[in-house]
Amino acid sequence: DPKIIQKPKYLVAVTGSEKILICEQYLGHNAMYWYRQSAKKPLEFMFSYSYQKLMDNQTASSRFQPQSSKKNHLDLQITALKPDDSATYFCASSQDPANSDYTFGSGTRLLVI
Amino acid sequence: GQQVQQSPASLVLQEGENAELQCNFSSTATQLQWFYQSPGGSLVSLLSNPSGTKHTGRLTSTTVTKERRSSLHISSSQTTDSGTYLCAIYNNAGAKLTFGGGTRLTVRP
Repeated sequence: DPKIIQKPKYLVAVTGSEKILICEQYLGHNAMYWYRQSAKKPLEFMFSYSYQKLMDNQTASSRFQPQSSKKNHLDLQITALKPDDSATYFCASSQDPANSDYTFGSGTRLLVI
Repeated sequence: GQQVQQSPASLVLQEGENAELQCNFSSTATQLQWFYQSPGGSLVSLLSNPSGTKHTGRLTSTTVTKERRSSLHISSSQTTDSGTYLCAIYNNAGAKLTFGGGTRLTVRP
């Protein structure tokens, strides 16, 4: 059974629309993260959360907003979508922020047309 | 900021050959990890190796922290080893992983 569930697996969106990427982890971890992998760049860090609080934000645009309704949830809301947002978005978790032993989800592949 | 450079960018082997992947990083890392990304995109951690040599199965990682480099040796490659191998460094101060661009390995039967 997958320990980190990301939904949907694939997503096609129209430019200017808004989408929410879902992430749930069942590992009992206290830290959760979002990473992005596009065709042009290596896998790159976006956000980190610990105990449902934002720890670090490396995303320049406020169009990307993480949402944590529960300790084991960290969703990613993206507004005013642009074609450059097309990428695979990976959710990950670790026991705590000081622990680098990450588990990654299988990713949501987003295509903005 | 921290940078991670991997080489080669791609590598093609015949089944049974050995592979040597390189990772160089620009700043002190408290942890260095090798990941495997399948052709389907899923990510799996292979080894954590901040310094010295570690083995798991057919994988051997050697990290020389002072020289800011790490290698991943895959012995007796198999077609199922095909995919992308990613090196990532972790720094407690930043509490995040910084990834290299990866080495895409193709093992032919």
